[in-house]
Amino acid sequence: EAGVTQFPSHSVIEKGQTVTLRCDPISGHDNLYWYRRVMGKEIKFLLHFVKESKQDESGMPNNRFLAERTGGTYSTLKVQPAELEDSGVYFCASSQALVGGELFFGEGSRLTVL
Amino acid sequence: DAKTTQPTSMDCAEGRAANLPCNHSTISGNEYVYWYRQIHSQGPQYIIHGLKNNETNEMASLIITEDRKSSTLILPHATLRDTAVYYCIVEAAGNKLTFGGGTRVLVKP
Repeated sequence: EAGVTQFPSHSVIEKGQTVTLRCDPISGHDNLYWYRRVMGKEIKFLLHFVKESKQDESGMPNNRFLAERTGGTYSTLKVQPAELEDSGVYFCASSQALVGGELFFGEGSRLTVL
Repeated sequence: DAKTTQPTSMDCAEGRAANLPCNHSTISGNEYVYWYRQIHSQGPQYIIHGLKNNETNEMASLIITEDRKSSTLILPHATLRDTAVYYCIVEAAGNKLTFGGGTRVLVKP
């Protein structure tokens, strides 16, 4: 069974440009999460989808970040326009259970903003 | 803010048991104790979780004190591949995880 896959694995862009990260969760997992680790900081929660609906987006840093999950399958996280402080690793995770279960994380998408 | 306190780092000899402590004195009755680890720059990996009772799986054992204010993750036979940062997390639902600094475990030959 395929795990959580993320694309691209690494993206290098200029400040002000746009980047879209993609996450394919494990098949059948209704819950999809985005986390990120910016340089020197701890891993932080960004948001949580249940199917195509945003359950919790309290961790989204500002309106330059837009997450979507049309059709309740894969998800995209767009950063527009990117700033230097957005550099870091963006992790996607999925789970079957809403409570008490384990999260399966992808390998992450490393974003470098120059 | 992280609700747990862990040592910053610890070393362990290959083949020996690694005991990783975690304090969570303000844990609520409905919060689980989760352990995840991150090997190098990979995505976090689930290890184990528990509510009140001790738990064991193929990776590790979790010992939770009776008052639930602390717990210990036990890796029974540490290998070099267990070198990682280990995160102890308390959370009710288990999905909005609050990662602290974790414990950096170095398994030495």
